[in-house]
Amino acid sequence: QLQLQESGPGLVKPSETLSLTCSVSGGSMSSSSYYWGWLRQPPGKGLEWIGNMYNDGRSYYNPSLKSRAIISVDTSKNQFSLKLTSVTAADTAVFYCASGWTAIDYWGQGTLVTVSS
Amino acid sequence: DIVLTQSPGTLSLSPGDRATLSCRASQSVSGNQLAWYQQKPGQAPRLLIHGASSRATGIPDRFSGSGSGTDFTLTIRRLEPEDFAVYYCQQYVTSPWTFGQGTKVEIK
Repeated sequence: QLQLQESGPGLVKPSETLSLTCSVSGGSMSSSSYYWGWLRQPPGKGLEWIGNMYNDGRSYYNPSLKSRAIISVDTSKNQFSLKLTSVTAADTAVFYCASGWTAIDYWGQGTLVTVSS
Repeated sequence: DIVLTQSPGTLSLSPGDRATLSCRASQSVSGNQLAWYQQKPGQAPRLLIHGASSRATGIPDRFSGSGSGTDFTLTIRRLEPEDFAVYYCQQYVTSPWTFGQGTKVEIK
């Protein structure tokens, strides 16, 4: 049973890069066949998938983000990260890290990131 | 992209009622790679159903999923007070993964 926990700044300025980290416990990232992913949910709105990375190196991203998102994995620290570049107010959301075999079995509790000057 | 349309937007029911939620896909979801999630205010979503009809670990059997191709249904047999929440369907057959807009099940 994996546990996921997001961390990172709660406030980011417009045009800067949003950086979040997800710490994984309850299992080793390097020995699992899970994917490692991120989603977001603007306040009062629905869920949007950002992207996934797999241990075999494959990665997939939502084209709606226009190549601004990058997910990286550090198995030595049992962590994975999200960088979202050139943020605007429209990127204000609760960001969730997530994992699973196929569907989204595990979710972090979510962290609110506000984009504002 | 596969567009998922959920209906109704809001379902007003009483505890003990049966809830039927619909999710229609803009193209066939092959392999029935469709999931349902429950989200309560201030909480992360929780996986209820994967593979269109398989309950996730620890999910009560009053929750059931059915359907194939483009039409899927989540049924809650007898609503408990803790079941009043927003429910989302999601396809994971093809990138980008997409979600329906959600159905809110509220107390009548």
